[in-house]
Amino acid sequence: GGIITQTPKFLIGQEGQKLTLKCQQNFNHDTMYWYRQDSGKGLRLIYYSITENDLQKGDLSEGYDASREKKSSFSLTVTSAQKNEMAVFLCASSRDRGEQYFGPGTRLTVL
Amino acid sequence: QQKVQQSPESLIVPEGGMASLNCTSSDRNVDYFWWYRQHSGKSPKMLMSIFSNGEKEEGRFTVHLNKASLHTSLHIRDSQPSDSALYLCAARGSALGRLHFGAGTQLIVIP
Repeated sequence: GGIITQTPKFLIGQEGQKLTLKCQQNFNHDTMYWYRQDSGKGLRLIYYSITENDLQKGDLSEGYDASREKKSSFSLTVTSAQKNEMAVFLCASSRDRGEQYFGPGTRLTVL
Repeated sequence: QQKVQQSPESLIVPEGGMASLNCTSSDRNVDYFWWYRQHSGKSPKMLMSIFSNGEKEEGRFTVHLNKASLHTSLHIRDSQPSDSALYLCAARGSALGRLHFGAGTQLIVIP
């Protein structure tokens, strides 16, 4: 088994601020993902990475940057937080293109 | 347009009843479907997967796949209040590394 950890659990930011979310996995999976989930809605893919130093844009990449520094970690940056934005950001990992395992999420609120 | 369409958006069933959820992909290259369940405030967890035509049963859960129409369905018999959750369908298609998720079906089981 393995685990995915996301930090921080809760993130409160100001409008226009740059905010960074971090994700670590010990599954030794090659592929990692960042999703955004608005309340009660489905998942929207922001970025994914199929190996260290690789980055692929998802459907919602505008306004975000990502970085895959090493196989076990994947970071997401909100480049300029939007006022009243509230969402959960979920990190996931998978081996090849198989089942995805999700972290507990980071809950973002922008004041 | 969403590559994965789920219906209905929400579903209310009485305890002990049957819940039927649908999912269709528009990507002709899809070769694998997953169903994920997400309880409120938690992260998605894989429930069942299918890649062959026909059906697969695990306890109270049955999943069907028709590859010709790229349609999968999830059936929950003897529904329990603990089955109340957001059910997400995901399809693996042509793009390396990524899945496409549907918007989800919110299931509510009334005691």
